[in-house]
Amino acid sequence: KAGVTQTPRYLIKTRGQQVTLSCSPISGHRSVSWYQQTPGQGLQFLFEYFSETQRNKGNFPGRFSGRQFSNSRSEMNVSTLELGDSALYLCASSLAASSTDTQYFGPGTRLTVL
Amino acid sequence: AQTVTQSQPEMSVQEAETVTLSCTYDTSESDYYLFWYKQPPSRQMILVIRQEAYKQQNATENRFSVNFQKAAKSFSLKISDSQLGDAAMYFCAYRRVGAQKLVFGQGTRLTINP
Repeated sequence: KAGVTQTPRYLIKTRGQQVTLSCSPISGHRSVSWYQQTPGQGLQFLFEYFSETQRNKGNFPGRFSGRQFSNSRSEMNVSTLELGDSALYLCASSLAASSTDTQYFGPGTRLTVL
Repeated sequence: AQTVTQSQPEMSVQEAETVTLSCTYDTSESDYYLFWYKQPPSRQMILVIRQEAYKQQNATENRFSVNFQKAAKSFSLKISDSQLGDAAMYFCAYRRVGAQKLVFGQGTRLTINP
């Protein structure tokens, strides 16, 4: 069974642009969560989706948004990019939204904002 | 809000030796889950071990075991017979019951000396 895939793996953008990152969960998994990882702030929760509904959102500005499609694939969008948005963005999937489920992480998308 | 603290930014150990990584957390919940994740240079986050707070028995996975002290809110990871492949960043994480959101510590970088 294929693992969690994230595309693209690397991305370079300039300030003010917007970006869309994609996450395909493990087949059969319906819950997807997103995290931002930076050297200064560490790993921070962005949002969680289950069955196309956002169930939880972290403390990030409205420039960060996401959605989930009927096939459980998820996208996150960052508008009006700032230098501080440079980070590794990790996606994790689990079978359902139960806290007993194990979350499996993808390899991440490295975003660099110039 | 829950917080997770890893007080050791870096640790090193000789190959085949045993090393213990420390983690403390703060929560007002009585039931929750604790995890240790490993992030090698490839950046892929890998689950090492998990512990349910309601279980008194410490979790064990091959060479990895935890010392869970609920009253002290302490959750340390012991790696026995360290191998070169164990070199990575190790993150302690907390998840409350009913949620998918993981709260991560700042991580401990583990170096294995041959």
